[in-house]
Amino acid sequence: AQSVTQLDSQVPVFEEAPVELRCNYSSSVSVYLFWYVQYPNQGLQLLLKYLSGSTLVKGINGFEAEFNKSQTSFHLRKPSVHISDTAEYFCAVSPFDTDKLIFGTGTRLQVFP
Amino acid sequence: EAQVTQNPRYLITVTGKKLTVTCSQNMNHEYMSWYRQDPGLGLRQIYYSMNVEVTDKGDVPEGYKVSRKEKRNFPLILESPSPNQTSLYFCASSQGRMTYGYTFGSGTRLTVV
Repeated sequence: AQSVTQLDSQVPVFEEAPVELRCNYSSSVSVYLFWYVQYPNQGLQLLLKYLSGSTLVKGINGFEAEFNKSQTSFHLRKPSVHISDTAEYFCAVSPFDTDKLIFGTGTRLQVFP
Repeated sequence: EAQVTQNPRYLITVTGKKLTVTCSQNMNHEYMSWYRQDPGLGLRQIYYSMNVEVTDKGDVPEGYKVSRKEKRNFPLILESPSPNQTSLYFCASSQGRMTYGYTFGSGTRLTVV
């Protein structure tokens, strides 16, 4: 079985500051890794994904994430956040050769001016 | 435009009154899925379908039914809604094997009183 832990339910940060949203996972098989963003009153949008290759993955809106196999982590980072980044962020994993997607409980990023 | 369309966006109903939430995708995806989102619990899978006439239970299937008679449509049916089914529901579709991730609908906020 797989599980995803997002260690922070809320992350407050000031505009232009850097941010890191943490994600750890547990799985007995190899997985693909994803980050999704949910803006207020909207559906989920894919930010970035790790399938294979370079462990540093760049996504949309200036976000990036680093896959660390030994620590089973996939933390999301942005060097300088904007007010418009205020949203809920979900980490998710999918076991190889399945269509299943298992989500974490989400991290609400609140950016203050 | 490639999209997943859910209807309605908002629905208030009474306990026991059957309802259907529709979901349609225009990307010819084989895989479709329903999730519910609750505060502090993230997204949990209700049912999924790997192709026409092929459906299976997710993690929280109790009280829900689905059907997949056509590739593009995957309705969610609540035969006798109860207040604990008050939630935000998302339909999603995938090209398969998760290398492309899911495309999500905009969500249906259901309140059962």
